Amino acid sequence: GAGVSQTPSNKVTEKGKYVELRCDPISGHTALYWYRQSLGQGPEFLIYFQGTGAADDSGLPNDRFFAVRPEGSVSTLKIQRTERGDSAVYLCASSLTGGELFFGEGSRLTVL
Amino acid sequence: GENVEQHPSTLSVQEGDSAVIKCTYSDSASNYFPWYKQELGKGPQLIIDIRSNVGEKKDQRIAVTLNKTAKHFSLHITETQPEDSAVYFCAASIGDSWGKLQFGAGTQVVVTP
Repeated sequence: GAGVSQTPSNKVTEKGKYVELRCDPISGHTALYWYRQSLGQGPEFLIYFQGTGAADDSGLPNDRFFAVRPEGSVSTLKIQRTERGDSAVYLCASSLTGGELFFGEGSRLTVL
Repeated sequence: GENVEQHPSTLSVQEGDSAVIKCTYSDSASNYFPWYKQELGKGPQLIIDIRSNVGEKKDQRIAVTLNKTAKHFSLHITETQPEDSAVYFCAASIGDSWGKLQFGAGTQVVVTP
């Protein structure tokens, strides 16, 4: 497909478990962003990659959250010791540098 | 940090009427102001954007205005159609990164035939 692909689309886990969410950006897009969207709210910035490096991780809420993009394409958001408050839709977006953000459909995380 | 407020939270209009959504922002360094449309179960989709050196931009039935002095910007949709029903978000750039955005809380627009 030509768009941003996110997997899984839905993830249900238990409190305390580890979760990985994957983002496959549009081919050729060097910039990749993770946002989190809680019910009834706008997306909230988490982290931004330019190429392989995290250019800005100031939105990560705490050290349980970590993201990687080892080859400058696919990115994985990792959440350790999940809490009920982590339940949200996690959105990934990609862009050419300085260009329009293209969002994926998101991964809905539910922590029981 | 940047704070974006968006009003109204819900907006119901008759098909063919106009819809207006207003946003204010706090950081005078913000220089990019996109608007997104989000349908149920989908990711946000950019519908129009405006940069700080422009006061108004129009694309068919959609227009955006920006008042940098007052720190507010607005979305105008004319001749609304049922397919315009969705949640609309305004956003403002944080610092000089166009992809790092502070979003408003959203406006649920319902267009009734």
